[in-house]
Amino acid sequence: GAVVSQHPSRVICKSGTSVKIECRSLDFQATTMFWYRQFPKQSLMLMATSNEGSKATYEQGVEKDKFLINHASLTLSTLTVTSAHPEDSSFYICSAGQLQETQYFGPGTRLLVL
Amino acid sequence: GENVEQHPSTLSVQEGDSAVIKCTYSDSASNYFPWYKQELGKGPQLIIDIRSNVGEKKDQRIAVTLNKTAKHFSLHITETQPEDSAVYFCAASALYGGSQGNLIFGKGTKLSVKP
Repeated sequence: GAVVSQHPSRVICKSGTSVKIECRSLDFQATTMFWYRQFPKQSLMLMATSNEGSKATYEQGVEKDKFLINHASLTLSTLTVTSAHPEDSSFYICSAGQLQETQYFGPGTRLLVL
Repeated sequence: GENVEQHPSTLSVQEGDSAVIKCTYSDSASNYFPWYKQELGKGPQLIIDIRSNVGEKKDQRIAVTLNKTAKHFSLHITETQPEDSAVYFCAASALYGGSQGNLIFGKGTKLSVKP
């Protein structure tokens, strides 16, 4: 199946700093990439949808200035958590898909903000 | 909008037994239903999916059934093994006309297979 990678897998940062997470589709071109957040023992919460070359569409309640998303190419999307605070600590997961095809998920990034 | 409900939230079975997880959806426009397996600390992994033009799909020990009239779909795992232990998520979306639909997830089922 299709492979999606995320980097880094874990990151610890100080409060107030910014953290960038990369999501790459390794063996296919992804027209759409999705970013999710997952709290312990809960389901995935969609944060935003991004299409290559256009602005991301954010879900209600997700601050676009807080979570910056860039989808610069058909194989790369980045999520930047700006001015991170302890409440931003979570498991962030991206997924990638093609038109009318399924989504494939990355391995996730564990963010801990101290 | 779409709403997906998943039951049970936890399921414990003996190795070799079958496991069944059920989901219902609300939006009749949904036409794509994937199932994901998530192990601790990892991203969800697609294990099987079904589109609304078929009623059943099977892949070795895993099968999915879809009842469009009743708006429910189920995951069946036969001859369960300890390595099947994980959290399973169902999802629904509408894929059509060049649009990549958002996946709406169920809340997940924690499956434990006891040796």
